[in-house]
Amino acid sequence: NAGVTQTPKFQVLKTGQSMTLQCAQDMNHEYMSWYRQDPGMGLRLIHYSVGAGITDQGEVPNGYNVSRSTTEDFPLRLLSAAPSQTSVYFCASSYRGGGASDTQYFGPGTRLTVL
Amino acid sequence: AQSVTQLGSHVSVSEGALVLLRCNYSSSVPPYLFWYVQYPNQGLQLLLKYTSAATLVKGINGFEAEFKKSETSFHLTKPSAHMSDAAEYFCAVSRDTGRRALTFGSGTRLQVQP
Repeated sequence: NAGVTQTPKFQVLKTGQSMTLQCAQDMNHEYMSWYRQDPGMGLRLIHYSVGAGITDQGEVPNGYNVSRSTTEDFPLRLLSAAPSQTSVYFCASSYRGGGASDTQYFGPGTRLTVL
Repeated sequence: AQSVTQLGSHVSVSEGALVLLRCNYSSSVPPYLFWYVQYPNQGLQLLLKYTSAATLVKGINGFEAEFKKSETSFHLTKPSAHMSDAAEYFCAVSRDTGRRALTFGSGTRLQVQP
C-alpha cells in the first residue's frame, strides 16, 4: 500500500492564483481531512469528509474548497491564493468514518508559498 | 471546547538521558489522546495513543505515556534518548462527538546532544 499520497510536494503561487492540492489514499478509509501547519501553532483542521459526497468545515476553512467524489481522493482547492495561505498542508485519513479513537495516517505534506 | 497545551517549545537532552515532553489537555468529556512525531520534512507518524484501555501506554521506539485524569496530563517519556529521537513531537486530542478530528498542541522540538 502507498498509504496517503500528496502532490505536489512544493508549490509557489502568486497572489490571486488558484490551484488544487491532491490527496489520495489506498487504504479504503472513510474519513479524510486536511490540516495546515504553521510555526508554533501545531496543525489546524481546514476541512474534513466522513465519506464520499460528504464534507464539512473545520477550524480554518476560509479560502479553501473541498469535494469528495470517491473514497480514495480528497482534493483541496485554493480559490484565490493569499500570502496568509503560505503553509505546509497535510492530508490525513482514518478508518471508521472518523471514529475519534482511530489512528489518523498522514501524507508527506505539500509546502506552499504564496508571493 | 477541547484544547491541548504542550509546555516547552524546545527541549534539549543529552544522549542517554531521560526524555520528558509535557502535554496537558482540557476536555469536558473523556478524551482520546495521541502523540505524533514529525521528522524533518516528513509527515506525522503515530507514536502512541490512549483510548481508555490502560492508563500507561507503550508506543514505538521505546516511548511511553501515562494518562493522569486528576492532572489532565498525558506526558511522553523515554528512559534513554537516542540521537535518532531528534524531531518535533505533537500531542493531540479527539472526542467522539463533533468533528472527531484531532486538536493539536503547538509542538515540542526535541534536540539530542551527543
